Formats: sequence, structure tokens, C-alpha cells
Amino acid sequence: DAGVIQSPRHEVTEMGQEVTLRCKPISGHDYLFWYRQTMMRGLELLIYFNNNVPIDDSGMPEDRFSAKMPNASFSTLKIQPSEPRDSAVYFCASSSFMTYEQYFGPGTRLTVT
Amino acid sequence: DAKTTQPPSMDCAEGRAANLPCNHSTISGNEYVYWYRQIHSQGPQYIIHGLKNNETNEMASLIITEDRKSSTLILPHATLRDTAVYYCIVREVRRNTDKLIFGTGTRLQVFP
Repeated sequence: DAGVIQSPRHEVTEMGQEVTLRCKPISGHDYLFWYRQTMMRGLELLIYFNNNVPIDDSGMPEDRFSAKMPNASFSTLKIQPSEPRDSAVYFCASSSFMTYEQYFGPGTRLTVT
Repeated sequence: DAKTTQPPSMDCAEGRAANLPCNHSTISGNEYVYWYRQIHSQGPQYIIHGLKNNETNEMASLIITEDRKSSTLILPHATLRDTAVYYCIVREVRRNTDKLIFGTGTRLQVFP
């Protein structure tokens, strides 16, 4: 298995633009997680899905952030409009209830200027 | 909020055992102790987990005290590639609540 796949790996955009981050979980996993990592705040859970249904979005910072999982093999995290404070590394992870461990993707480094 | 306390940094000589402590004094009976690590610029990687018995796998050993209020992750023969931030996480595993709450972790530096 190729592991969790994220795209793009790097994104540079200007303030006010829409940003879409993509994630393909490991096949067969029924949980998908979006995290954000910054120097100031560390690694934060934004939202997670179980069987494509959002379970907990309490970590989503504000209405500018939205996440979808239209099917078991794809999820997006969208920021509209983006702001410089959204600059961070965004990780996607997936897991199966039976395995107890989460597998993380390589992350997307987002820079908003 | 994270339910664990870890030292911010530790050093270890290559080839020696690295013992990383973690305090989780408020742990409840149905919560597991998990360890993840994050090598620079990569996503976190699962290492090991346990409930109350000591555990060992190909990467590390996990020693949990009898009262379960603290634990130690042991890397038996540290290498330079083990330099990373190590996170100790307390987590209740129930369907639909499969959350990991990361704290600040311990930055382990392995030196030659």
C-alpha cells in the first residue's frame, strides 16, 4: 500500500485566495483525520470522519475552514478565504478501528502571503 | 487538552538505551497509553501502545507502572535516525471517538 497520500505537498498562495488540500486514505480504513501543525500551537486535530461522516469538527478554527469526504477514498480540506495565519503544515491521517493506530501522510506545507 | 506531561528535551548517546518518561496521573481505567514520534518534516509515526501490561515490539518497549500513572518508552539501542519528537498520548478507544490529542512531546537528540 502506498500509505496516506496528500496533495499538493507544498502550496503558496496569496491572502484571500481559496486553498484546497487533498487526501487519499489507506484503502480499507474507516477513519480519516485532518491535523494542523504550527510552531506556536503544535499538532492540532481539526476534524475527523468515520465512514465518511464528520464526527467531531470542534477543532476547525472558523467558518473559513471546511472539510468534506464524498467517498471512502477521498477527502478535502478547504480554506476560503485564506489568511497568513493559516500558514502551517496540514496532515491527513487514517486508521481502522481494528488496528488502533493512525497512519499519517507526508503533509502539505501551506504558505499564505 | 493533553493529559500527559513529558520533559521537553533529552539527549542520548548512539547505541545506548533511550528512556523517555511520561506522566499521566489522571488516566482512567479504559484509557490506553500511546506513543508516536515525529521525525523532522514528516508525519507522526506510531510506535507502540499499552493498557496496563508492559509491551514490546520491533521498535521499542513500553513500561507502565502498576498504578498506571506513568510510563516509560525505551528505545534499547538508539541510533541517529531515532532523533525525533516523541509524543506520549492517553486515549480512550471507543467507536466514533478515535481521537489523538498531541501534547508538546519530548525532543530526543541522539548524538554520535
